[in-house]
Amino acid sequence: DIQMTQSPSSLSASVGDRVTITCRASQTINNYLNWYQQKPGKAPKLLIYAASTFQSGVPSRFSGSGSGTDFTLTITSLQPEDFATYYCQQTYSSPPWTFGQGTKVEIK
Amino acid sequence: EVQLVESGGALVQPGGSLRLSCVASGISFSGSEMTWVRQTPGKGLEWVSYISTSGNTKYYADSVKGRITISRDNAKNSLYLQMDRLRAEDTAVYYCATFGGSCPPQRQCYNYMDVWGKGTTVTVSS
Repeated sequence: DIQMTQSPSSLSASVGDRVTITCRASQTINNYLNWYQQKPGKAPKLLIYAASTFQSGVPSRFSGSGSGTDFTLTITSLQPEDFATYYCQQTYSSPPWTFGQGTKVEIK
Repeated sequence: EVQLVESGGALVQPGGSLRLSCVASGISFSGSEMTWVRQTPGKGLEWVSYISTSGNTKYYADSVKGRITISRDNAKNSLYLQMDRLRAEDTAVYYCATFGGSCPPQRQCYNYMDVWGKGTTVTVSS
């Protein structure tokens, strides 16, 4: 199975900060990489698929990049509603389609 | 409004059984591939199972294989997860989600889980 490792596990940031979250796959997944946002008590929400393609309605301050094994999610100017946990997920080839362990973005 | 609504979660003893349901509205359910994803308390997300639009293709995570069965009834816009021989480690919030995709020409589809329900809680404890 492909393992997905996110870093950091958590971070503290202020409104307006630039935030970068990293996701690494245990083998190449080309760009079959998704990012989700989850707020407490809510279901995950798809932000980005194919490593860098926005889901409809996602603010432009979010961006994704990467290919192969290394990927990043960047929030250029953190907003109060962005404090949440972010998960990467690979959907390369056959299942299981694995998630990273999550990165919790907290208010500094 | 696009909506998935799960139900059937409960407190059950180890070794017991449970059937989860997910009813879809506002989407073409019969044209939607579907998945179940679970989230253990305080931990992350784990894909559990997948079913194709016709129900002919099914996949399971190794952690549940042989104990869980996914099914669907397109006439009722409903997805099911039959869970048998439940273990403490099956305790989680179970989400149903559509398995959407963007398919470029002559390339493998980019798949993702794009519509999620609010989840139903399964607790396995004596």
